[in-house]
Amino acid sequence: AQSVAQPEDQVNVAEGNPLTVKCTYSVSGNPYLFWYVQYPNRGLQFLLKYITGDNLVKGSYGFEAEFNKSQTSFHLKKPSALVSDSALYFCAVRDMGGGSYIPTFGRGTSLIVHP
Amino acid sequence: EAGVAQSPRYKIIEKRQSVAFWCNPISGHATLYWYQQILGQGPKLLIQFQNNGVVDDSQLPKDRFSAERLKGVDSTLKIQPAKLEDSAVYLCASSPEAYSSGELFFGEGSRLTVL
Repeated sequence: AQSVAQPEDQVNVAEGNPLTVKCTYSVSGNPYLFWYVQYPNRGLQFLLKYITGDNLVKGSYGFEAEFNKSQTSFHLKKPSALVSDSALYFCAVRDMGGGSYIPTFGRGTSLIVHP
Repeated sequence: EAGVAQSPRYKIIEKRQSVAFWCNPISGHATLYWYQQILGQGPKLLIQFQNNGVVDDSQLPKDRFSAERLKGVDSTLKIQPAKLEDSAVYLCASSPEAYSSGELFFGEGSRLTVL
């Protein structure tokens, strides 16, 4: 069965500093990995995805994520955080080789960017 | 392009009452998902449709939850009778097809409070 772990409930960072939100996954086949962001009282919005190819993926709003197969990780990063980045971030995985194509989400990490 | 539409946005009911949520996916999207998001947790898949057929409903509590997508377009999720633990945000999402690498497009969600 596929699963996603987001080990941090909350990440605090000062505006202008780099940020990292961690995600590890478990699949039986090849992973398709996604990051979504959720603002208060809103649905989830897609940020970026890894399918194949370059391990560093660039997405919306200056975010990027690095796929590391040996560590089964897909951490979300941004070189310089903005207060407006404060939101809930979800990592998700689809196991495209193990037969289950259902997107599975982590429990989310609350990012708080301090002015 | 119009996004995923959901209604109602908010609903408060007493336990043992019934409630229904409606979702209209992005035009042309064959796959529709209903997720349950309990406060502090990640979205959990309840049911996935491909056109008007069910792909996966293994986590749908079928004794009280039902969902349909009769014409392969919009969908209704019903809870009858509701329990306190059903308090959550019900998210509808769509994607062009089920077995792809594509991301999901989410609606804004329907927040249910069961008293």
